[in-house]
Amino acid sequence: QSVLTQPPSVSAAPGQKVTISCSGSSSNIENNYVCWYQQLPGTAPKFLIYDNNKRPSGIPDRFSGSKSGTSATLGITGLQTGDEADYYCGTWDNSLSAYVFGTGTKVTVL
Amino acid sequence: QITLKESGPTLVKPAQTLTLTCTFSEFSLDTSGVGVAWIRQPPGKALEWLALIYWDDDKRYSPSLKSRLTITKDTSKNQVVLTMTNMDPVDTATYYCAHRATIGLDYWGQGTLVTVSS
Repeated sequence: QSVLTQPPSVSAAPGQKVTISCSGSSSNIENNYVCWYQQLPGTAPKFLIYDNNKRPSGIPDRFSGSKSGTSATLGITGLQTGDEADYYCGTWDNSLSAYVFGTGTKVTVL
Repeated sequence: QITLKESGPTLVKPAQTLTLTCTFSEFSLDTSGVGVAWIRQPPGKALEWLALIYWDDDKRYSPSLKSRLTITKDTSKNQVVLTMTNMDPVDTATYYCAHRATIGLDYWGQGTLVTVSS
């Protein structure tokens, strides 16, 4: 079982905004950078956000990240049908000396 | 463009040892800060990080699977190999390898589905 907790699902209409939370602890999120990964159906995960709030080249600015204490948040604005995917947070855990992923959140565009 | 590709058996029997190879291009495991990680995903379930090998041969393993995993690298062949012993049906999953940069797991292979069944 993961040490990072995410809501199982979120949904919104096209053009709207969704936020996905990722809850951890002082051994992971609070003291390390958080990444976010997008997994479209049937494909490998894709690097979406790094260093809590930075976007790799090619990732639209509709995707944003933030962190506060032991929690991180991914935001998606201007929701599109192509954003329907599973989203995972990830970070290093100092106590486990291992990388940890969140439980994953399915985004549905209504 | 960095690419990675996983290869290995698609079917293994319970109690057997699984050996997976990650073959990569456009980066070197000699470069400081670089690593290759293995991650798996059972059907319909979440990602699970398994192991990581760094450029300096430092290795990290998932605590829950550490006794069953071994990760090695062959820099001359641009390959990383993961072995997992004593396979069980619960180990059925898609196994991914990924390039580890200091900023995160920025490039992923396409994954390979491994089924454990007699």
